[in-house]
Amino acid sequence: KAGVTQTPRYLIKTRGQQVTLSCSPISGHRSVSWYQQTPGQGLQFLFEYFSETQRNKGNFPGRFSGRQFSNSRSEMNVSTLELGDSALYLCASSLLGTSNQPQHFGDGTRLSIL
Amino acid sequence: DAKTTQPPSMDCAEGRAANLPCNHSTISGNEYVYWYRQIHSQGPQYIIHGLKNNETNEMASLIITEDRKSSTLILPHATLRDTAVYYCIVRVAGTSYGKLTFGQGTILTVHP
Repeated sequence: KAGVTQTPRYLIKTRGQQVTLSCSPISGHRSVSWYQQTPGQGLQFLFEYFSETQRNKGNFPGRFSGRQFSNSRSEMNVSTLELGDSALYLCASSLLGTSNQPQHFGDGTRLSIL
Repeated sequence: DAKTTQPPSMDCAEGRAANLPCNHSTISGNEYVYWYRQIHSQGPQYIIHGLKNNETNEMASLIITEDRKSSTLILPHATLRDTAVYYCIVRVAGTSYGKLTFGQGTILTVHP
């Protein structure tokens, strides 16, 4: 069974640009969550999608957004990039996103802002 | 979310059991304990989770105390590939969909 796939693995952007990251969940999983990992802040929850609807959201500015498609694939977008957005962005999927079901992570997209 | 406390680092000899403790004294009755690990440059890997009873799978065993205020992750025969950051997470039930709150974790170093 294929795991969570994130593309691209590496990305370099400049300040002010925008970026779109993609996540394909494990087959049959309908919940997709996104996380940001930085050396200073650690792993932080961005948002979660289920059935194309955002159900939960972390404390990030509106520049960070996402969406989910009918096949459960998800994208996240960051607009007006800042230097502080340099991070490893991780996607995780689970069957329904409830607390009794484990999430499985991809290996992330490493975003560098110049 | 219930706060967890883990030692910042631990060492273990290859082939020996690694016992990683976690304190979660404010855990509520319907909150699950999860363990993940992260090897450098990879995404976190799910290891095991439990509510009240001890759990075992092909990777590890999870021992939860009767009062649920602490737990121990046991890797029965540690290998060099088990060197990683280990995170103990208490997962809130209810409407906190898809959210895991990561702390600083324990850096486990397995020595030859």
